[in-house]
Amino acid sequence: DQQVKQNSPSLSVQEGRISILNCDYTNSMFDYFLWYKKYPAEGPTFLISISSIKDKNEDGRFTVFLNKSAKHLSLHIVPSQPGDSAVYFCAASAVGGTSYGKLTFGQGTILTVHP
Amino acid sequence: DAGITQSPRHKVTETGTPVTLRCHQTENHRYMYWYRQDPGHGLRLIHYSYGVKDTDKGEVSDGYSVSRSKTEDFLLTLESATSSQTSVYFCAISVGTEANYGYTFGSGTRLTVV
Repeated sequence: DQQVKQNSPSLSVQEGRISILNCDYTNSMFDYFLWYKKYPAEGPTFLISISSIKDKNEDGRFTVFLNKSAKHLSLHIVPSQPGDSAVYFCAASAVGGTSYGKLTFGQGTILTVHP
Repeated sequence: DAGITQSPRHKVTETGTPVTLRCHQTENHRYMYWYRQDPGHGLRLIHYSYGVKDTDKGEVSDGYSVSRSKTEDFLLTLESATSSQTSVYFCAISVGTEANYGYTFGSGTRLTVV
């Protein structure tokens, strides 16, 4: 049972345009959400996070939006750059519950930014 | 750099043999995790640890065991390797602050079971 889903396996975007990566979750206990970026032959690296008490968090070119009623979050990258080409994983955690610290990941979306 | 290393980086082993993967951290973090990454499945939790000799199962723990005899080392053992355990294995530590409950990952171990 996939509690965190990224339904788009891949996304292709032109340099300078906006990239929008989407993620849906089913567990209403999740209250903390993160995005990770992964290059080939490397471990995932933390990108940006958001707590369920917020609906938006921004860090430079990266913005994460959270819609709790729809159980949906999205990552916006503006403007997209070729170096952003990587696999992006959405992750969720129930920080306030007994599963503190454990992250549940989505399947990942491969982003390709063309020059 | 969080000081987390995994060894070996690559390994090929035969079906039925035991295999141990090592994760070593230098920053005295309490929480450590083992994940596997497979196409179409993302990252799935195998086992995790809340401290020395304190471990628990994740969602895909069958066929795996772990040990943590020292804070800095978290070992993952495939008791009798099968082809379905061919995967990339990642160790992670939890940075565990109220500002960021995320992880820092190691570089991964690519395991092939033939």
